[in-house]
Amino acid sequence: GAVVSQHPSRVICKSGTSVKIECRSLDFQATTMFWYRQFPKKSLMLMATSNEGSKATYEQGVEKDKFLINHASLTLSTLTVTSAHPEDSSFYICSAGSGRAPNEQFFGPGTRLTVL
Amino acid sequence: GENVEQHPSTLSVQEGDSAVIKCTYSDSASNYFPWYKQELGKRPQLIIDIRSNVGEKKDQRIAVTLNKTAKHFSLHITETQPEDSAVYFCAAAIQGAQKLVFGQGTRLTINP
Repeated sequence: GAVVSQHPSRVICKSGTSVKIECRSLDFQATTMFWYRQFPKKSLMLMATSNEGSKATYEQGVEKDKFLINHASLTLSTLTVTSAHPEDSSFYICSAGSGRAPNEQFFGPGTRLTVL
Repeated sequence: GENVEQHPSTLSVQEGDSAVIKCTYSDSASNYFPWYKQELGKRPQLIIDIRSNVGEKKDQRIAVTLNKTAKHFSLHITETQPEDSAVYFCAAAIQGAQKLVFGQGTRLTINP
């Protein structure tokens, strides 16, 4: 149980385009999902907390108009990187609250974004 | 807000020996402390967690200890094997808050 999928696993796009990343909880309902960004050999940096049916809560320094988050259902959250630039290239990972125990999170496999 | 410090940043041990990774946290309200293992290019996987109502938890070769007074917790891996090589992250969560605050990570290498 507690399987989280993420799609796509890799994406290469041109500068100025928008990219959508999907995060799904496959065998459980997740009222809360989280989006992280991870640079090479670095820790996970929380970008935003996504609650089903409400607006996402962004961490300080994260541009909400740049990184659009939608959590329209209990099993799906999406992150859209708008007008992507090379500095947005990174490993983006989502996680979902398991709902079985407070604060317990399970991670998706991540999406490697490369902006040319 | 909460701050989590993790040490060491790299750790190399001989196969069969034990490995210990330590984390300290700043907010005494934190009550959930998970450990994640991340292999290169893969997702972080929850390997063990502990809540503040216990001082130690063990799962086969892995154990976590918590000292609430000193605000630190540690991951112990015994009888290390090559497949234990990975980056390990500790994290802490404040009671009532949803998010985890992660440590900087420890790159563990098991030498055969």
